[in-house]
Amino acid sequence: EAGVAQSPRYKIIEKRQSVAFWCNPISGHATLYWYQQILGQGPKLLIQFQNNGVVDDSQLPKDRFSAERLKGVDSTLKIQPAKLEDSAVYLCASSSTGEGGSGLPYEQYFGPGTRLTVT
Amino acid sequence: GQQLNQSPQSMFIQEGEDVSMNCTSSSIFNTWLWYKQEPGEGPVLLIALYKAGELTSNGRLTAQFGITRKDSFLNISASIPSDVGIYFCAGDGQLVFGTGTRLLVSP
Repeated sequence: EAGVAQSPRYKIIEKRQSVAFWCNPISGHATLYWYQQILGQGPKLLIQFQNNGVVDDSQLPKDRFSAERLKGVDSTLKIQPAKLEDSAVYLCASSSTGEGGSGLPYEQYFGPGTRLTVT
Repeated sequence: GQQLNQSPQSMFIQEGEDVSMNCTSSSIFNTWLWYKQEPGEGPVLLIALYKAGELTSNGRLTAQFGITRKDSFLNISASIPSDVGIYFCAGDGQLVFGTGTRLLVSP
């Protein structure tokens, strides 16, 4: 079974520029998450999708961050414009609903992440 | 918001030693998860706990869901060099992650 795919793996941009990250979850996983992990800290949830609907985006800085999952499969996270404090690893994860699917809810499987450096 | 505190922050041990780490919360959780993260990779799920008092093993790893539902423990027996990494606990609801315990193992 293929894991969660993310691209790019690394990105360096200047402040005020825009950047986009892509994630393809494990096949059949209805729930998709984006996390921000600042160096030395645990992952912080930015947004959670159930199929193509948003379940929780309470910690997403909506003035500059946006995310979409139009067809309920892959997802894009965008930052526009970027700030220095956005430098972090952006992790995508997916999980099944636990209803007739493999695995149990909350058992998230993570991609390798995109390391963003804002200069 | 909710916060999970992990201790110790870091551990440096000899190969073959047993390791214990814990995670505490100010709120009750219905699910506790333990992850391991290695440099340049995303966290990998180690153990999931779904019931208060539950004790679950995965090879040399054993985790427990505290009776109060506000804490969880992870034990690693007979540590080996490949156990090196950062161990995170996580709780359901807001999908909150802990601060992490960095484990270093000396051969």
